[in-house]
Amino acid sequence: GAVVSQHPSWVICKSGTSVKIECRSLDFQATTMFWYRQFPKQSLMLMATSNEGSKATYEQGVEKDKFLINHASLTLSTLTVTSAHPEDSSFYICSASEVRPPYNEQFFGPGTRLTVL
Amino acid sequence: DAKTTQPPSMDCAEGRAANLPCNHSTISGNEYVYWYRQIHSQGPQYIIHGLKNNETNEMASLIITEDRKSSTLILPHATLRDTAVYYCIVRVAPQGAQKLVFGQGTRLTINP
Repeated sequence: GAVVSQHPSWVICKSGTSVKIECRSLDFQATTMFWYRQFPKQSLMLMATSNEGSKATYEQGVEKDKFLINHASLTLSTLTVTSAHPEDSSFYICSASEVRPPYNEQFFGPGTRLTVL
Repeated sequence: DAKTTQPPSMDCAEGRAANLPCNHSTISGNEYVYWYRQIHSQGPQYIIHGLKNNETNEMASLIITEDRKSSTLILPHATLRDTAVYYCIVRVAPQGAQKLVFGQGTRLTINP
């Protein structure tokens, strides 16, 4: 089956620093990737939709200048949390959509746990 | 996409069938029912999906009522590794990638 990886799996950083999270589709090309955030004991909340070669589409309430998304190739999307603060501590999960008609399924990465001190 | 309603939690004994219900009374004719699960601290895992016919794969069975307003995911012989949060999502068949909207899901606990 299709595999999506994330790197790093966990990261601890100081408040005010920026953190980059990578999402890769390992065995398929993904024109679209999605970024989710999950706080403890809560469900996944979609942050943004990332399309290869174009600007990301952010969900309402998500600051695009704080969460920078780059989808430079068909196998890689990155999420950069700029000037991270403790409230940004969360579990970040990406998914990649394989172009396989008629069902363009989504496959999820294992997640990245960010802790901001 | 139509809204779904699931019980917040369920328990099941190991080896027994786990039946997880989902209500989607506002589902449209072109919307599919998808099930994902999330084991603690991992990304969601696709389980199964269907439109109106019952579906079965190596992981589970999906029973959709004739009026399509509800469905049941069946794990025939639950194991401890099936302990997870199970999400029922309804969405149109993707014409191009479409986002998934996750509800609160059902936290299934398999007991030894």
